[in-house]
Amino acid sequence: GEDVEQSLFLSVREGDSSVINCTYTDSSSTYLYWYKQEPGAGLQLLTYIFSNMDMKQDQRLTVLLNKKDKHLSLRIADTQTGDSAIYFCAENDTGFQKLVFGTGTRLLVSP
Amino acid sequence: NAGVTQTPKFQVLKTGQSMTLQCAQDMNHEYMSWYRQDPGMGLRLIHYSVGAGITDQGEVPNGYNVSRSTTEDFPLRLLSAAPSQTSVYFCASSSGTGNTIYFGEGSWLTVV
Repeated sequence: GEDVEQSLFLSVREGDSSVINCTYTDSSSTYLYWYKQEPGAGLQLLTYIFSNMDMKQDQRLTVLLNKKDKHLSLRIADTQTGDSAIYFCAENDTGFQKLVFGTGTRLLVSP
Repeated sequence: NAGVTQTPKFQVLKTGQSMTLQCAQDMNHEYMSWYRQDPGMGLRLIHYSVGAGITDQGEVPNGYNVSRSTTEDFPLRLLSAAPSQTSVYFCASSSGTGNTIYFGEGSWLTVV
């Protein structure tokens, strides 16, 4: 079946850039998503990228997709303490919105 | 502006008890789904529905039932709770492939 992998932990200093990486196995994925989860809260959609795109930028967020290597990354520029959260990469199973999630990367931003 | 509403937010059950987690959305979305979130495992799909009257199994369906009698509601039933079902449960909805998937705020379930 499909598999999505992420590193478990990332620590950065406030003001630095953060890069969270994700690899996936399903080459038929149409959309790839990044979700943010703060402690005790639900999932907030940050951004998504269509599989025929290489890059998408949205304010401080840049998503890079390397479809050949099945590698997705999320770059957060000028990381703030409020960005501390768990970030999930997810890819969709074509057709029915069946998301396959990675294990999540816990981002810790220190002052 | 309710979006996806889940109830209850917290629940403690004894092993063998049954209960229903409620999920309702007010966006007229066709697609609804239930996920469970366990530490170190991300979210896993339990059941999903592509419209009223249509449901199907996800990755981890055992021990759970669902029904979709209306577009708005998608309840998840635990038939006989087990400690392995201790988890955080998320309901999600969307209007179609490629469209934004909205998540509820989660239901924290503990089975003792």
